[in-house]
Amino acid sequence: AQTVTQSQPEMSVQEAETVTLSCTYDTSESDYYLFWYKQPPSRQMILVIRQEAYKQQNATENRFSVNFQKAAKSFSLKISDSQLGDAAMYFCAYIAGNQFYFGTGTSLTVIP
Amino acid sequence: NAGVTQTPKFRVLKTGQSMTLLCAQDMNHEYMYWYRQDPGMGLRLIHYSVGEGTTAKGEVPDGYNVSRLKKQNFLLGLESAAPSQTSVYFCASRPPWRRSTDTQYFGPGTRLTVL
Repeated sequence: AQTVTQSQPEMSVQEAETVTLSCTYDTSESDYYLFWYKQPPSRQMILVIRQEAYKQQNATENRFSVNFQKAAKSFSLKISDSQLGDAAMYFCAYIAGNQFYFGTGTSLTVIP
Repeated sequence: NAGVTQTPKFRVLKTGQSMTLLCAQDMNHEYMYWYRQDPGMGLRLIHYSVGEGTTAKGEVPDGYNVSRLKKQNFLLGLESAAPSQTSVYFCASRPPWRRSTDTQYFGPGTRLTVL
């Protein structure tokens, strides 16, 4: 079965600090892509970062970076210098073949 | 470019009624998806399409039908609505993976309540 597990339903971080959101997945595919999406209260799904499974180098996008451990099927998101605008639901997801699979999300609160 | 649009944004149905949700994209994307989002469940794939005239079942297809008669439109139908179908529905589209920045593009969502 294809699954994505986000074991932290809620997280909080002080403004300007660093936080890491966890994600593990299970797939039998060898070729896939991994994503982190952000969903603010507006409900709009926003891509944060993307990682190709065949690339060993961890993706980075400004203050956002991932720790991709393919053998462990782990894909965590690190947010550095957290800002108030980072407060949102964060979803981990991957695509294998043509189907996307999403985790249940982590609600991130940023404390001023 | 409008991106991905969904019609309607809100809808209230009575049990047993039918309705169609429309998704339209103006990016000439081949792939289109319908998801539902429930509290604590994340997004679950209902149906998807890999091109005009094609459809396929996702993770939770029961009670829904879809059609992709035109490349830019992907319709989601509920023939006989049930309270369990109360949810927020998202449509998404994407190109084939060619560039490192390719991803899904989501619509704004439709909040459906079935009484």
